[in-house]
Amino acid sequence: SQQGEEDPQALSIQEGENATMNCSYKTSINNLQWYRQNSGRGLVHLILIRSNEREKHSGRLRVTLDTSKKSSSLLITASRAADTASYFCATDARDYKLSFGAGTTVTVRA
Amino acid sequence: GAVVSQHPSRVICKSGTSVKIECRSLDFQATTMFWYRQFPKKSLMLMATSNEGSKATYEQGVEKDKFLINHASLTLSTLTVTSAHPEDSSFYICSATTGTSGRSDEQYFGPGTRLTVT
Repeated sequence: SQQGEEDPQALSIQEGENATMNCSYKTSINNLQWYRQNSGRGLVHLILIRSNEREKHSGRLRVTLDTSKKSSSLLITASRAADTASYFCATDARDYKLSFGAGTTVTVRA
Repeated sequence: GAVVSQHPSRVICKSGTSVKIECRSLDFQATTMFWYRQFPKKSLMLMATSNEGSKATYEQGVEKDKFLINHASLTLSTLTVTSAHPEDSSFYICSATTGTSGRSDEQYFGPGTRLTVT
């Protein structure tokens, strides 16, 4: 079953602006992962943050994790048109199975 | 990095027929593969976990006789949608893990298969 809730459902920004999206979950986790999906395509793994980590960076991506609030955020800095996609968080809570959030659709306007 | 392929990428079939989707790990041995289903503009829902040489474990609400999963080798898992109906139309995505523990941080996703049942 789905565990993650993502906010907002949709986000429209101008190229060059930052995009922030949030993910909340319900149970204890081993790690939390963020994925990107372009329309009609498969998933691209962006970043994994473990339960004992608070922040992680990868290029223009910054992920935070607050296990006390059971939430995570993904920040994309200096957005580009190519960042237009749906972004999903996924938690590893039950053994090794991933539970995906509902996703945030990001549109970057040129 | 590890690559997972799916075949076919798109398939259209008539109602009542069966269709098989393949998931292959191209450059690694996958002890565990997962099958997901995604409706338009929705999230991925885990359907089943497939372990090489043993029966698949289905998530609650997924009909195992409807969605037959076979994991005959360490590089191939197949999902067969039997007696397909229009409501089975969806995007099916597989993932594979390299770890013997099946840890999710080693999962690699395929590009997905778009199934349309007419």
